[in-house]
Parts: sequence; structure tokens; C-alpha cells
Amino acid sequence: EPEVTQTPSHQVTQMGQEVILRCVPISNHLYFYWYRQILGQKVEFLVSFYNNEISEKSEIFDDQFSVERPDGSNFTLKIRSTKLEDSAMYFCASGYTGELFFGEGSRLTVL
Amino acid sequence: GIQVEQSPPDLILQEGANSTLRCNFSDSVNNLQWFHQNPWGQLINLFYIPSGTKQNGRLSATTVATERYSLLYISSSQTTDSGVYFCALLTQGAQKLVFGQGTRLTINP
Repeated sequence: EPEVTQTPSHQVTQMGQEVILRCVPISNHLYFYWYRQILGQKVEFLVSFYNNEISEKSEIFDDQFSVERPDGSNFTLKIRSTKLEDSAMYFCASGYTGELFFGEGSRLTVL
Repeated sequence: GIQVEQSPPDLILQEGANSTLRCNFSDSVNNLQWFHQNPWGQLINLFYIPSGTKQNGRLSATTVATERYSLLYISSSQTTDSGVYFCALLTQGAQKLVFGQGTRLTINP
């Protein structure tokens, strides 16, 4: 069964460093998303991406964040200069007809 | 924006018990999904149910779109059912999926 895959599963970084989280969505999907979940809290929307551009972003998704679909298969989230409060689980999701499917997440720890 | 409220926030049951989790939402629904977040943090799709009733084994879900609520039923609970259950709604134009706060279910042996 097709699935959304994310790498890395866990990354530890120093505050101020750049981080790139990678996702391979399900191949025929058209809509792509990044979410994050701080430990013990709800799943929060970051950004949606359709037709090679951002369709919506939340207030969390500030200038430190960017997304890219560089080669038609990968979908990446970049955090330019990480802060302690960026420590969270980051989920990628993709969808086609309305149902969204999530990857297993990338846990980011900022020290 | 869309408001999604889940109840109860926490539920503790003995193995074998049945449970009902509720999701209320503020807007008309194009897409409603139920997820189970397991102890490893993975979000597992349970149901895609904008309306009507669906069943999958011991789990079933009902969405009454006109009254803006959805229910998730778990029968004969097992310890592996423990975790957090989220409902989530997709906004118009598939811009984003809005999650509720979740119900934390603990099944004790």
C-alpha cells in the first residue's frame, strides 16, 4: 500500500542551525502539507502546497520556514535558524480526493 | 475559522469495555477524518467519513453533518487501543486539515 515516507526519523541539532526535513508523498497526490506537534499538544497546521506553490500557511510558518518540491517527488521543509521552541514532531501529509495520509513523522530536538 | 472540539479529553477504561468519543465542529464538512496516534507518535488513519456510518472491525464511526458532530465507537477495547484519538476537518478548497485537541484513551488490562 502506498505510504508517505519521511526522513530523518529523528534529528538533534544546535540552536541556530539549519534543518531540512524530507518527505516523499504518495505518487499521484496533488496536495501536500506540513504539520507539527509539540510533545503532548495538538497537531498544528504549518503550510499547504498545491500546484507548486503555497496555498495557505499558518502564523507559525514565518520567514524562518520554507517549503520546496524540488524534483516532482520530494517535498521538503527547511528551518533556516532553529530555535528551542522548534523542538517538535513534524508530520508531512499528502492527499488527492480529500482524505489525507500522514507520514510517520520526523522528531526534531533543538539543543 | 473552523472549530473542532473533542470530548472527553481523557478516558480510562478496563479491557473489554466499550467507548464513545465525540467530535463537534463549527462548520459544514467536506472531509472529516479520525486518526489514532499510537504510543510511538504515528498518526494512523481510522476513518474518512464526511457523512454516514462506517465500520472497520471493532471500530465504527458516524458523522451527522447536518448537526455538526461525529462519533467514534470502540467496542471490546484492547490495551493496544490506547493512545490519542483525533478528529480533523478539511477546510474548503483542501487548504488545511484542522485537528481537534484529541481524546487520550487508556485501556488497562
